[in-house]
Amino acid sequence: AQKVTQAQTEISVVEKEDVTLDCVYETRDTTYYLFWYKQPPSGELVFLIRRNSFDEQNEISGRYSWNFQKSTSSFNFTITASQVVDSAVYFCALGSYNTDKLIFGTGTRLQVFP
Amino acid sequence: DADVTQTPRNRITKTGKRIMLECSQTKGHDRMYWYRQDPGLGLRLIYYSFDVKDINKGEISDGYSVSRQAQAKFSLSLESAIPNQTALYFCATSDQNRVDNEQFFGPGTRLTVL
Repeated sequence: AQKVTQAQTEISVVEKEDVTLDCVYETRDTTYYLFWYKQPPSGELVFLIRRNSFDEQNEISGRYSWNFQKSTSSFNFTITASQVVDSAVYFCALGSYNTDKLIFGTGTRLQVFP
Repeated sequence: DADVTQTPRNRITKTGKRIMLECSQTKGHDRMYWYRQDPGLGLRLIYYSFDVKDINKGEISDGYSVSRQAQAKFSLSLESAIPNQTALYFCATSDQNRVDNEQFFGPGTRLTVL
């Protein structure tokens, strides 16, 4: 079975703190894809990143970075020097050729206070 | 113009009323999906369609029906709305030629059933 677990329901930090959002997945597929989406208070879903299971290199995009570790089935997301505009719900999702659809985690609500 | 559009964006209705949410896309994708989002539950799949003649139930299809009128249009109906169908509804599309199932989301429809 495919499953995505985001154990952190809600995280609160003060601006400029670093914060890591955890994502643990389960799959029997050898080829799969992991995604992160951001949902700001306005409600739309914003695509952040896609990684495939063969590429374990960490990725950095500005203040955002992602740590993909197959050994622990995790794809964690770190925001460095958080800002109030980072306040949102963040979803991790899993896709693969065999499932024909994305499996979403339940999301982590991040609140960044000034 | 947005690639995936949803109408209406907001709707308030009464218990027992029939309501239709519409989704249109200009991405040329064959696959379309309807999700609902509830706080703490993430995105749950209601129905999905891989082409005009292919409709599939998702994990929470009870109380809903869909119609795929054309490749570009996928409508979700609540035959007799009830208050626990109050949620944020998202339409999404994906390209059948992609193995990662990346999905492209509409802006969402916020539905309130009184």
